[in-house]
Amino acid sequence: QSELTQPPSASGTPGQRVIISCSGSNSGILSDSIVWYQHVPGTAPKLLINSNNQRPSWVPDRFSVSKSATSASLAISGLQSEDEAFYYCATWDVILKGLFGEGTKLTVL
Amino acid sequence: QLQLQESGPGLVKASETLSLTCSVSGGSISSRSYYWGWVRQPPGKGLEWIASIYYRGDTHYKASLRSRVTIYIDTSKNQFSLNLTSVTAADTAVYYCANNLWTGPSYWGQGMLVAVSS
Repeated sequence: QSELTQPPSASGTPGQRVIISCSGSNSGILSDSIVWYQHVPGTAPKLLINSNNQRPSWVPDRFSVSKSATSASLAISGLQSEDEAFYYCATWDVILKGLFGEGTKLTVL
Repeated sequence: QLQLQESGPGLVKASETLSLTCSVSGGSISSRSYYWGWVRQPPGKGLEWIASIYYRGDTHYKASLRSRVTIYIDTSKNQFSLNLTSVTAADTAVYYCANNLWTGPSYWGQGMLVAVSS
């Protein structure tokens, strides 16, 4: 069964740079576009970066992504307290359909 | 701006069918710009994609739920719906309806907790 693996937690202090990784269980699982969601508990998840690596206007350029053949990463620079949330990588293709990663809880210390 | 709102029973008995509806306002559910989907989050767990449907009626289902799930659109009411049959406690979750999950801009409902009772 295909999976997207993320670390369960990450943390940083204000102003730091934090990287959240997302790895695929099968080769090629990351060949399609990876998107990233931000989820603050009690609210609806928000699409942070779409399949074209674009950020909605509400997302500051402190958020950036990168990808290799086997993993993807979300980098958050200049960490702020408002960034504290769960972050999910996700992908979709005609075979796997929709798939979310396990989620990473980001704590701003 | 699109607005989505989930509705349905908050409590379903085990072995019965969970039926949820997502009402869409601010845009047409038949628009080629949109595709629609359901995502859920069991208590203490992460997000799980369930199903998606395109304006043409093409449907996609999570493989492990395929035998129990149906997603469909009602254009006359500007709504789309989810049916999940033979529910168990494992189906207890907050259910979200949303659009354009991968391409964006993505709008989501506020989420609805559905509990399965034994």
